[in-house]
Amino acid sequence: QKEVEQNSGPLSVPEGAIASLNCTYSDRGSQSFFWYRQYSGKSPELIMFIYSNGDKEDGRFTAQLNKASQYVSLLIRDSQPSDSATYLCAVKGLTGGGNKLTFGTGTQLKVEL
Amino acid sequence: DTEVTQTPKHLVMGMTNKKSLKCEQHMGHRAMYWYKQKAKKPPELMFVYSYEKLSINESVPSRFSPECPNSSLLNLHLHALQPEDSALYLCASSQEEGGTEAFFGQGTRLTVV
Repeated sequence: QKEVEQNSGPLSVPEGAIASLNCTYSDRGSQSFFWYRQYSGKSPELIMFIYSNGDKEDGRFTAQLNKASQYVSLLIRDSQPSDSATYLCAVKGLTGGGNKLTFGTGTQLKVEL
Repeated sequence: DTEVTQTPKHLVMGMTNKKSLKCEQHMGHRAMYWYKQKAKKPPELMFVYSYEKLSINESVPSRFSPECPNSSLLNLHLHALQPEDSALYLCASSQEEGGTEAFFGQGTRLTVV
């Protein structure tokens, strides 16, 4: 079982719709959870982070965490063509003093006009 | 300022060359990371330094040699690389408190010929 799993996509949504991206993780000791956006040929850019169960909202983005079910999700409201990118879920566990940041394979999002 | 600076942006090297990648941050972060990313794959952790000491080595071949001269700098020394080592090399940093977010540099695109 992979440590962090995501559906590779592509996930296609029309402009203005809600995009829902999901991620599951295997290490129950994981402490913190991150969503990065990566455009082709560029480095990952931090979008959201969440540490506690529940929802966290920042503008058009909402991160949701359910530690009992070991999943974290990212909702993007009012999707725009500029949101088209690969979204990487990343998880920090206890290894290395809590500094091991492990990435999922990423979900490619395409927002269509 | 959430800037992590990597140099050079692009590097072409022969299999017998020795070169170094550099990474710098001035955010006071005490954890610094090297990741390797191949096309259409997620970043793959190579090394983590915590308080200038190597805390994680993900079984990386010895032709890659990391160095952390001080709390702001991280180097990756390269020697006798193979063409399959061609990839985007990403540096990141985070506060040394387990749950905090990591910020990435723009990466060095390495080509081994």
